[in-house]
Amino acid sequence: KAGVTQTPRYLIKTRGQQVTLSCSPISGHRSVSWYQQTPGQGLQFLFEYFSETQRNKGNFPGRFSGRQFSNSRSEMNVSTLELGDSALYLCASSVLHQGGTEAFFGQGTRLTVV
Amino acid sequence: SQQGEEDPQALSIQEGENATMNCSYKTSINNLQWYRQNSGRGLVHLILIRSNEREKHSGRLRVTLDTSKKSSSLLITASRAADTASYFCALVGSNNNDMRFGAGTRLTVKP
Repeated sequence: KAGVTQTPRYLIKTRGQQVTLSCSPISGHRSVSWYQQTPGQGLQFLFEYFSETQRNKGNFPGRFSGRQFSNSRSEMNVSTLELGDSALYLCASSVLHQGGTEAFFGQGTRLTVV
Repeated sequence: SQQGEEDPQALSIQEGENATMNCSYKTSINNLQWYRQNSGRGLVHLILIRSNEREKHSGRLRVTLDTSKKSSSLLITASRAADTASYFCALVGSNNNDMRFGAGTRLTVKP
């Protein structure tokens, strides 16, 4: 079974631009979550989608948005980029089994805003 | 939702020694999970312990959970240089679909 795939792996953008990141979950997984990881703030939860609906949301400004398609693939968008948005963006797809929810992470997209 | 707090923030040991990392939290959980991250890469799931469990083992890993103290510990026995990574605890709340991570413990195992 293929793992979680994130594209692109690396991205350099200029302040003020917008960016779209993509995540393809493991086949059969309907839940996709996004996290931002920075050295200073650690792993911060952005949002979670399930069956094309945003189910949970973290404390990020409205510049951060996402969506999920009928095939469970997800995209996240950041508009009006700021220098502080430079981070590793991780996507995780998860499945609920008897023991609980287990998340599988992609390799991440390293975004650098200059 | 809450995040866990790991301690120590960083840990440096010699190969062959045991490494213990702790995670504390404040509210009730459905389960707690430990993940490992090699530098700048995705997280890898290590072990899941449910709120009604007290201890779980997986190879050289041992996880304990004390819900009365709202804390968990991850023990890596007979550490190896390849265990060098960051380790995160993740809390899953009662809705079972919201996972929040702590800041992690950076483990360095010296050969």
